[in-house]
Amino acid sequence: DTQMTQSPSTLSASVGDRVTITCRASQSISRWLAWYQQKPGKAPKVLIYKASSLESGVPSRFSGSGSDTEFTLTISSLQPDDFATYYCQQYNVYPLTFGGGTKVEIK
Amino acid sequence: QVQLVQSGAEVKKPGASVRVSCKASGYIFTSYYMHWVRQAPGQGLEWMGIINPSGGGSTSYAEKFQDRVTMTRDTSTSTVYMELSTLRSEDTAVYYCARDGGKQQLVRSNWFDPWGQGTLVTVSS
Repeated sequence: DTQMTQSPSTLSASVGDRVTITCRASQSISRWLAWYQQKPGKAPKVLIYKASSLESGVPSRFSGSGSDTEFTLTISSLQPDDFATYYCQQYNVYPLTFGGGTKVEIK
Repeated sequence: QVQLVQSGAEVKKPGASVRVSCKASGYIFTSYYMHWVRQAPGQGLEWMGIINPSGGGSTSYAEKFQDRVTMTRDTSTSTVYMELSTLRSEDTAVYYCARDGGKQQLVRSNWFDPWGQGTLVTVSS
């Protein structure tokens, strides 16, 4: 299976901060990577697919980059609504696998 | 708008089976694959498998669940089902259905959008 490793696992930041989350794959996944946001008690919501494609309706402060084994999710200016847990997911090969998550907390 | 509505919470004893339903609306049901993903309390996300709602309803399961999971669909009611058998305490989780996120009909993209609201399955003696 393709292992996905996210860092950090927890991140403390303030409103207005630029935030970067990293996701590493145990083998090359080309650009077959998605990012999700999950709030407590809610289902995940997709933000980014194919490493850098912004899903319709997602604010432009979210961006994704990377290829092969290293990827990043960047929030250019953190907003109050962005405090949540973020997951990466590879879809290069079955089984589809997720990173362990990064919780973005209020500093 | 696309909506996935799942069945309610379940409490089961170890060794029993559970069936969770996911009713789709707002799009052509047979045009998009459906996935199932679970999340144990306080834990991350785990993909269980995928079903093609069209044709014969072909499926592909994660190896971990291969011998215990069955995914089916009813095109007359636009509903997919996930049945998990021989339940154990480690199966306690929220189970989500999630439509394949691809922009082209009947082309698997293998990312997820949108998701159902989730169904909590508790396995306890």
